[in-house]
Amino acid sequence: ETGVTQSPTHLIKTRGQQVTLRCSSQSGHNTVSWYQQALGQGPQFIFQYYREEENGRGNFPPRFSGLQFPNYSSELNVNALELDDSALYLCASSLPPGELFFGEGSRLTVL
Amino acid sequence: GQSLEQPSEVTAVEGAIVQINCTYQTSGFYGLSWYQQHDGGAPTFLSYNALDGLEETGRFSSFLSRSDSYGYLLLQELQMKDSASYFCAGPYGGATNKLIFGTGTLLAVQP
Repeated sequence: ETGVTQSPTHLIKTRGQQVTLRCSSQSGHNTVSWYQQALGQGPQFIFQYYREEENGRGNFPPRFSGLQFPNYSSELNVNALELDDSALYLCASSLPPGELFFGEGSRLTVL
Repeated sequence: GQSLEQPSEVTAVEGAIVQINCTYQTSGFYGLSWYQQHDGGAPTFLSYNALDGLEETGRFSSFLSRSDSYGYLLLQELQMKDSASYFCAGPYGGATNKLIFGTGTLLAVQP
């Protein structure tokens, strides 16, 4: 059974740029959620995808968007990057209802 | 709004017992989860309390009192590898696979 994998692991961008982060969910899991974790804080829920449709969103602006593909993998896109977007972005998959299985994350630095 | 508060840091020695508390303010609360995270890596699921009372899983136990809006994680026979951040989490919008995470507790286990 393959776990949740994310890419890239680290990346550096400048303000105003756009970034795409990718996630492959655990085998058989049809639900993918994205979280943002700033240094020293708990993960914050961005949004969730279930069967290719957005299924709930946290308090994040529209420049945070996502996709889920038929194989349940997912992308997180962030436009017009701001300095405060620097964080660890975590993807988690699950079979509802159930525990979340997290990937190792993508660490984004915005300069 | 919804929030979960934890102590920021706890220190204990190997072999000891430590309790990490979590108090929450949420509407429509449906249970409390606990996750462990080493050095900003992938959070891993530890336990879930849907009902009041104690749940035991090996060296770890978790307790929930919904009337007091309070829970705790109890770690027994502490080992050095238990040094990590611990997060309590509650369901977002009533869904057990969309989570609001607490502020996190950094546990340092000393020899």
